[in-house]
Amino acid sequence: GAGVSQSPRYKVAKRGQDVALRCDPISGHVSLFWYQQALGQGPEFLTYFQNEAQLDKSGLPSDRFFAERPEGSVSTLKIQRTQQEDSAVYLCASSLVGGGRYNEQFFGPGTRLTVL
Amino acid sequence: AQSVAQPEDQVNVAEGNPLTVKCTYSVSGNPYLFWYVQYPNRGLQFLLKYITGDNLVKGSYGFEAEFNKSQTSFHLKKPSALVSDSALYFCAVRPRYNNNDMRFGAGTRLTVKP
Repeated sequence: GAGVSQSPRYKVAKRGQDVALRCDPISGHVSLFWYQQALGQGPEFLTYFQNEAQLDKSGLPSDRFFAERPEGSVSTLKIQRTQQEDSAVYLCASSLVGGGRYNEQFFGPGTRLTVL
Repeated sequence: AQSVAQPEDQVNVAEGNPLTVKCTYSVSGNPYLFWYVQYPNRGLQFLLKYITGDNLVKGSYGFEAEFNKSQTSFHLKKPSALVSDSALYFCAVRPRYNNNDMRFGAGTRLTVKP
């Protein structure tokens, strides 16, 4: 596709439910990032993949958060036993190669998660 | 630790007037600097970046940004604002040595009134 896509766009979960958020990066992009954007804040880094390898997961707030990218393309962010503080917009971004000075990140529209 | 500050939550300008959205940063070394724009229910869209060279960077939609090393600032500017420029603007910094360590400011909501 032309850009990064994410699904679902909106997700409402009851506290304690598990959710799975999907990201389809731009075709051919090696790097994939997940961010969490709380209301009124800028995006905060969660985790980073280079191809299928998860190179940095230092931003994941707890062990309830898990991300994977098994074939180096589509990625899924899973949140287990959701809590109200998990309510946020989850943004996915991809960039062309793993490093380098000219690589800007291209963002998807985000998934707005509301935990009741 | 690196950080980004956008000191204004909101900026209001009249259409046709120049606009400035401020950004200062605290990062060791010479970081890469970025501006992104976010429209309602849309993802962040890349506007421009500073890597090296000329301190004045030109980007999309007539926006430009001026890198000032001594003041550690990277203010976004546009000579003549449009109503359609109304959106949320984010400044971001990234160390040269770490592709995944992108830090964003809290955002500035720009409103351009006709």
